[in-house]
Amino acid sequence: DAKTTQPTSMDCAEGRAANLPCNHSTISGNEYVYWYRQIHSQGPQYIIHGLKNNETNEMASLIITEDRKSSTLILPHATLRDTAVYYCIVRLDRNEKLTFGTGTRLTIIP
Amino acid sequence: DAGVIQSPRHEVTEMGQEVTLRCKPISGHNSLFWYRQTMMRGLELLIYFNNNVPIDDSGMPEDRFSAKMPNASFSTLKIQPSEPRDSAVYFCASTTDSINQPQHFGDGTRLSIL
Repeated sequence: DAKTTQPTSMDCAEGRAANLPCNHSTISGNEYVYWYRQIHSQGPQYIIHGLKNNETNEMASLIITEDRKSSTLILPHATLRDTAVYYCIVRLDRNEKLTFGTGTRLTIIP
Repeated sequence: DAGVIQSPRHEVTEMGQEVTLRCKPISGHNSLFWYRQTMMRGLELLIYFNNNVPIDDSGMPEDRFSAKMPNASFSTLKIQPSEPRDSAVYFCASTTDSINQPQHFGDGTRLSIL
């Protein structure tokens, strides 16, 4: 699976959009971008995934660049409960493994 | 719907003792994963099953670790004998066989070996 690079930490004001970047410059054509988050003392929680089109669900939006070498997870109106570590993972379509990196520690500030 | 259920939530035991962690996957899911999380190594995949059969156990650290899935609704991860370096949070996750379905995680078992 391709390697991902994320900032170690970010802050965002409550109520604002949180934009979390991820670089995956070695991604191959059949690899998907997945986002999970882990709130303290809980198991990782699936957020969203995509291949090349932008995706949106009830939790977040995923913007993938045209060359697919980077992506951005957008939490449109961040709340204090969104404080967590966010993991960007690149995964082969038929490979069931998830390889977690160190993620981005997002802190929502009141 | 019930999510992935793990038990116990916390386990404290002395080194040398046998430890058994339990997992009930989401009903209808046929792939099950065991992960371990430590400060030093982050989240690591230990083993995963598909249709109750172990597919990849390359992440199992050593022979003291074993995992079984006797049926579609239950799996165990056993450590015997346990050592202090086994202290970690152990997560179980499950998913369906369909391509690109997300894994759903339990809340983990926090294991402390004294």
